[in-house]
Amino acid sequence: SAVISQKPSRDICQRGTSLTIQCQVDSQVTMMFWYRQQPGQSLTLIATANQGSEATYESGFVIDKFPISRPNLTFSTLTVSNMSPEDSSIYLCSVGYRGKETQYFGPGTRLLVL
Amino acid sequence: AQSVAQPEDQVNVAEGNPLTVKCTYSVSGNPYLFWYVQYPNRGLQFLLKYITGDNLVKGSYGFEAEFNKSQTSFHLKKPSALVSDSALYFCAVRDQGSNYQLIWGAGTKLIIKP
Repeated sequence: SAVISQKPSRDICQRGTSLTIQCQVDSQVTMMFWYRQQPGQSLTLIATANQGSEATYESGFVIDKFPISRPNLTFSTLTVSNMSPEDSSIYLCSVGYRGKETQYFGPGTRLLVL
Repeated sequence: AQSVAQPEDQVNVAEGNPLTVKCTYSVSGNPYLFWYVQYPNRGLQFLLKYITGDNLVKGSYGFEAEFNKSQTSFHLKKPSALVSDSALYFCAVRDQGSNYQLIWGAGTKLIIKP
């Protein structure tokens, strides 16, 4: 399985500011995903990070609010823009390999917006 | 519509007793089925999966799950629960024809009492 790190592990931010979360994998992966997990809830897919092209966003999520980069096969960033308290969540990066069925998750970034 | 149901928000089991965490699904085609565990303040860890073959699959930490096609279920089991098994458990499903995207259950909080 992949070793996945996320930075920062947690942060407390003021409303109206932006935070960029990094996801680094120890091997080249085919797929990278960003999820949101609100307190006590299940996971919601934000977008699929595509290497070298624009991310594919799920319904309810837009690029202006959650810009994503994926410059190579081992790294991606998610920015939470113009934050409000409703953005307080755990943000999780996950990865998948072509031909392999399992997704592996990073440790998550715990965001609190005041 | 494709969906995953975890009918129990919480399951309480005494240490040493067998445990079951239930999952049923509704997907078109043949599913890939997964269980993940989330310990407090941690990311998601992969436990086990069913892809094909033997209906009983074994995973990490002594857990196993049984795929039942007629009942469209994939219940997670362990013969003897440990206090350290206390965590949040998620069932997830993927249609074999899909592009890696997972459909998630709501999660079940497992509490093991000494």
